[in-house]
Amino acid sequence: TQLLEQSPQFLSIQEGENLTVYCNSSSVFSSLQWYRQEPGEGPVLLVTVVTGGEVKKLKRLTFQFGDARKDSSLHITAAQPGDTGLYLCAFNTGKLIFGQGTTLQVKP
Amino acid sequence: GAVVSQHPSWVICKSGTSVKIECRSLDFQATTMFWYRQFPKQSLMLMATSNEGSKATYEQGVEKDKFLINHASLTLSTLTVTSAHPEDSSFYICSAGTASTNTIYFGEGSWLTVV
Repeated sequence: TQLLEQSPQFLSIQEGENLTVYCNSSSVFSSLQWYRQEPGEGPVLLVTVVTGGEVKKLKRLTFQFGDARKDSSLHITAAQPGDTGLYLCAFNTGKLIFGQGTTLQVKP
Repeated sequence: GAVVSQHPSWVICKSGTSVKIECRSLDFQATTMFWYRQFPKQSLMLMATSNEGSKATYEQGVEKDKFLINHASLTLSTLTVTSAHPEDSSFYICSAGTASTNTIYFGEGSWLTVV
């Protein structure tokens, strides 16, 4: 059973387009994290959301935590080729458990 | 610079042999380290939690006799893939955290190819 369901799993878009990645669960989390991973490297933490309804922005990336703290979304505005990578949501219960991941390809 | 280092970065071994991957925390002590496995285009799957001075805790479905974990010091955990087979070929990543900052750091990963 996958505790964190991410969608879509694969996304290929043109430079300049907007996109949203979703992370859903039936469980309530005290916090959720988003990571980005490039091929052959370890994941890098982008953000941690803690409060229900919280919105955090990181340049062109906007992260939202659902009011019920069961889901989260990542929205990228005007995607660039450098945004290409694997995006992962995760929750930490003493050990970090990842969602299925969303592979994003941004074509120039 | 990296705060968690893995070695080797990539390794090729023959079927039936064993291979060891090291995970070191640099400049901090890690009582707990974590080992993940990742297949191409997939997410990271937690294999086990490595506890310094005690036995590792394995996730369901992970064979403890096949993936031997040793955490002999506060800065080093090792993962040994025993009797490796081609299906064990994967990207193995470790992570370590500091209780003081509640931050988790990931290693650079190790590519294992079994031929």
